[in-house]
Amino acid sequence: QKEVEQNSGPLSVPEGAIASLNCTYSDRGSQSFFWYRQYSGKSPELIMSIYSNGDKEDGRFTAQLNKASQYVSLLIRDSQPSDSATYLCAVMDFTGTASKLTFGTGTRLQVTL
Amino acid sequence: GAVVSQHPSRVICKSGTSVKIECRSLDFQATTMFWYRQFPKQSLMLMATSNEGSKATYEQGVEKDKFLINHASLTLSTLTVTSAHPEDSSFYICSAERQEGAGNSPLHFGNGTRLTVT
Repeated sequence: QKEVEQNSGPLSVPEGAIASLNCTYSDRGSQSFFWYRQYSGKSPELIMSIYSNGDKEDGRFTAQLNKASQYVSLLIRDSQPSDSATYLCAVMDFTGTASKLTFGTGTRLQVTL
Repeated sequence: GAVVSQHPSRVICKSGTSVKIECRSLDFQATTMFWYRQFPKQSLMLMATSNEGSKATYEQGVEKDKFLINHASLTLSTLTVTSAHPEDSSFYICSAERQEGAGNSPLHFGNGTRLTVT
């Protein structure tokens, strides 16, 4: 059973601070990693994808991947109240002819004024 | 903008009736679509993989005769919840994999369907 682990939170950060969200995964062979943002009652929205070790930056978001440690993180700089949501870490694996995405339980982020 | 469209966004039905949910990829062809279910305060759970032109692949514990999936074209998959019961009330979300070059193929999600069975 492939597992994706996240701290459920809530993670509370003041406006303007850096929010750091962490995720670990169990399958060492996993190749593709994603961060989704989900507002309450809405479907997930893709924030970042990362496929190789190191950092990947997109605006205020930076994804970090360390395959040796089976660890992926998401940094949100200059956090805004609108960033308050649940952030889902997802790991994609390829099973023969199809790919399968396994989600963590999500970390709830609260950005306070 | 949205790349996956899902309809309806919300449906209320009586116990014993059937409900059909549509999922469309808007500007790309999707040979494979995925159906997820999410209960309150829980993560997304994959129900089944919808394959264009062939039978869907169901996850363990998901009844294929209750959750009928049809993927008749490269842009449309449907999920029909048959003989719905109150315990089927949930948030159903479809997704499709879009090829975005250089081996990148993230999943994009529809807006979800909130099903309430009374």
